[in-house]
Amino acid sequence: RKEVEQDPGPFNVPEGATVAFNCTYSNSASQSFFWYRQDCRKEPKLLMSVYSSGNEDGRFTAQLNRASQYISLLIRDSKLSDSATYLCVVTSTASGTYKYIFGTGTRLKVLA
Amino acid sequence: EPEVTQTPSHQVTQMGQEVILRCVPISNHLYFYWYRQILGQKVEFLVSFYNNEISEKSEIFDDQFSVERPDGSNFTLKIRSTKLEDSAMYFCASTLSGGLSSTDTQYFGPGTRLTVL
Repeated sequence: RKEVEQDPGPFNVPEGATVAFNCTYSNSASQSFFWYRQDCRKEPKLLMSVYSSGNEDGRFTAQLNRASQYISLLIRDSKLSDSATYLCVVTSTASGTYKYIFGTGTRLKVLA
Repeated sequence: EPEVTQTPSHQVTQMGQEVILRCVPISNHLYFYWYRQILGQKVEFLVSFYNNEISEKSEIFDDQFSVERPDGSNFTLKIRSTKLEDSAMYFCASTLSGGLSSTDTQYFGPGTRLTVL
């Protein structure tokens, strides 16, 4: 099983739609969780951290389910500018340091 | 906002040549990373570096690769004898405390696109 798994998509949605992505991780001892956004040929940029109680930032809501080992990202009222690849990132520890493990990313296209 | 910088933005080299990719992490950060991303594929961890030594490396990071922090600001990745399959985007990143908490954001540089001919 892959350490971090995501549906690669693409998810093609109309402007204004709500879209949700899931990500599963295999290491139950994973410590921290993030969603990053990556535009084509650009570096990943932090979208939001994911907290145990769930958290919201404007149109974006992230949830963590430790029991089922998945995190989710919900985007409401999609904009054209939301078109990008969304990367699920999980940290795990080995030998005392943390490693950031990336999923393959889920591609979102918001259509006019 | 503080940022990670990388040079060059694009490097073209012949197979078998050595390349050095340079990064300047955020000044108060203590943990440094190199990743690579082959076109159309996922971001892959190469190596992490803390306190002037490698703290973790992946199976990709073989004897052809080395990292160095030659002074207080630069962090370099050297590929000794490049292969065609080393062609990729190489990202440098840094964090303050190595991912200890959900608030410990990993900041990425803009990347160096390496093309091996």
